[in-house]
Amino acid sequence: EAQVTQNPRYLITVTGKKLTVTCSQNMNHEYMSWYRQDPGLGLRQIYYSMNVEVTDKGDVPEGYKVSRKEKRNFPLILESPSPNQTSLYFCASSTTGIGTGELFFGEGSRLTVL
Amino acid sequence: AQSVAQPEDQVNVAEGNPLTVKCTYSVSGNPYLFWYVQYPNRGLQFLLKYITGDNLVKGSYGFEAEFNKSQTSFHLKKPSALVSDSALYFCAVRDMDTGRRALTFGSGTRLQVQP
Repeated sequence: EAQVTQNPRYLITVTGKKLTVTCSQNMNHEYMSWYRQDPGLGLRQIYYSMNVEVTDKGDVPEGYKVSRKEKRNFPLILESPSPNQTSLYFCASSTTGIGTGELFFGEGSRLTVL
Repeated sequence: AQSVAQPEDQVNVAEGNPLTVKCTYSVSGNPYLFWYVQYPNRGLQFLLKYITGDNLVKGSYGFEAEFNKSQTSFHLKKPSALVSDSALYFCAVRDMDTGRRALTFGSGTRLQVQP
């Protein structure tokens, strides 16, 4: 089954404790992206990757890092989480760099930073 | 810059009645437009898109959307609503004439279909 898998789905952590949210897709998509969803703000892009070893900042990259060492994986790293990073995070992938193709989303990772 | 506005936080409609969820956009060039739906505790799912061609676009689950360039709108419609259509709906846009490789999403509209 074609899917984007995120882990963990739920996480409660404390300020400053490094964490990684993993994302993996099995569709051989070149384009991958991370979004955060906050009430009233919709989805905002954090980082995206056009292909292996190619990443770029989205609209809200501060406090986040990403890497793309393999085509299927695109982890999101919070080196020193802060409470304002409490949010619902989505990973997404696409065949065509979102030019004309639709995004396929994971089921989300709800992060709470205390 | 590209932006999307969804002017209604919530739309309420009775089952069997037609529904409309509104979306307006702003781009400097020509738009790619998308609608996504989010069910509780799930990721977003693609519904339909407008790239070029016919202004009326048909998508999944009986939904359709009409692209109106003069009004810069892309409203989502369905002739007869189902209770199972209740969800959060997002409009998104990409300016096809810029190099920006990201969709900009609206803030979402919650659709509530009453039995």
